[in-house]
Amino acid sequence: GGIITQTPKFLIGQEGQKLTLKCQQNFNHDTMYWYRQDSGKGLRLIYYSITENDLQKGDLSEGYDASREKKSSFSLTVTSAQKNEMAVFLCASRQNERLFFGHGTKLSVL
Amino acid sequence: QQKVQQSPESLTVSEGAMASLNCTFSDRSSDNFRWYRQHSGKGLEVLVSIFSDGEKEEGSFTAHLNRASLHVFLHIREPQPSDSALYLCAVSNQGGSAKLIFGEGTKLTVSS
Repeated sequence: GGIITQTPKFLIGQEGQKLTLKCQQNFNHDTMYWYRQDSGKGLRLIYYSITENDLQKGDLSEGYDASREKKSSFSLTVTSAQKNEMAVFLCASRQNERLFFGHGTKLSVL
Repeated sequence: QQKVQQSPESLTVSEGAMASLNCTFSDRSSDNFRWYRQHSGKGLEVLVSIFSDGEKEEGSFTAHLNRASLHVFLHIREPQPSDSALYLCAVSNQGGSAKLIFGEGTKLTVSS
């Protein structure tokens, strides 16, 4: 079976800092997603990618960059962390009807 | 641009009473609908997927899709306190863009 690995699991940053979150999948799936989830809320789409080197903006892309240099990896960069920001970032990959999530990266900004 | 909205924001039902959750979407070409559950601090668990108008049952969960009215409902039969969680609706257009949009969720509390 495959797995989605997100690193790091916890990320503490400083206001204004550039922070990078990584996601690797060994399913060989074409489509990958990055979502942000604030406590007790739904998932908001930041970026998605339908294949290597493809990037598509979601509704929450401002303040973020993404990179899909390999089919197996999809990274997300917070371009300037906001003070007191706290959220979980979830990576997912999809093949046809099946969607698989990583365990998330929990971000806290001091 | 696809909009997905869920109602109510929170819902409390008594153990054993049917719970009904609503999800509305804006893109009529959407053809792929899922309901997820997320217990506090945990990951997402898929409950039921539905791709055509009508009903789809998975255990105590039934999804009801009506694309003409832009609604997909989730009914939970005889909910237990362990069903207390955040319920999320996800909508996409499988035949077109891979964009997968989630609603803001309904927080369900089942009281014993």
